[in-house]
Amino acid sequence: DAGITQSPRHKVTETGTPVTLRCHQTENHRYMYWYRQDPGHGLRLIHYSYGVKDTDKGEVSDGYSVSRSKTEDFLLTLESATSSQTSVYFCAISGRDSETQYFGPGTRLLVL
Amino acid sequence: GESVGLHLPTLSVQEGDNSIINCAYSNSASDYFIWYKQESGKGPQFIIDIRSNMDKRQGQRVTVLLNKTVKHLSLQIAATQPGDSAVYFCAEKRGRGYQKVTFGIGTKLQVIP
Repeated sequence: DAGITQSPRHKVTETGTPVTLRCHQTENHRYMYWYRQDPGHGLRLIHYSYGVKDTDKGEVSDGYSVSRSKTEDFLLTLESATSSQTSVYFCAISGRDSETQYFGPGTRLLVL
Repeated sequence: GESVGLHLPTLSVQEGDNSIINCAYSNSASDYFIWYKQESGKGPQFIIDIRSNMDKRQGQRVTVLLNKTVKHLSLQIAATQPGDSAVYFCAEKRGRGYQKVTFGIGTKLQVIP
């Protein structure tokens, strides 16, 4: 998985609680991304980062926030989890030219 | 298996045969294309890429063909093996630097032993 780890790998939480997912890379890549994957949809971008403290919204950013205080770590926070955020979340990284994205193993999140 | 596999088109292939997986892309300005393989419970894995100035690229047992006229991409897998069973999806991107990548929904490949 190209030196990318995600934690936790599985999480069950209740509606209304905050949740933070962590992505850690050992490749020193500039770009990091958070996607969600749901049946009937291609991967959809939530947020991305183009450097430390530099982040921007993707197409499905409502209800999510991110932070990147170090090159190697990119955190995704669900401020108040809802059932519609039940999904599989993938982190991805890409290098200087921001071309090929390499994915982590994913986090399966269930919001009850 | 992964819930992402539900509702996907499925291609069933006999072990040892060649597989062809197709993808129609949406943006005529896209100039970079990637094929990913996703096994059940795992993250997408890069297989092969191709730029728009090429119409064919070969890797180990895989070939990608690009037809820009009809905005069509295909992935050919030679001598398909049970380990090739997975969901395959294409991705398209336009330009250098950060640009939005659009991912397809995918095709499920089932290899019959």
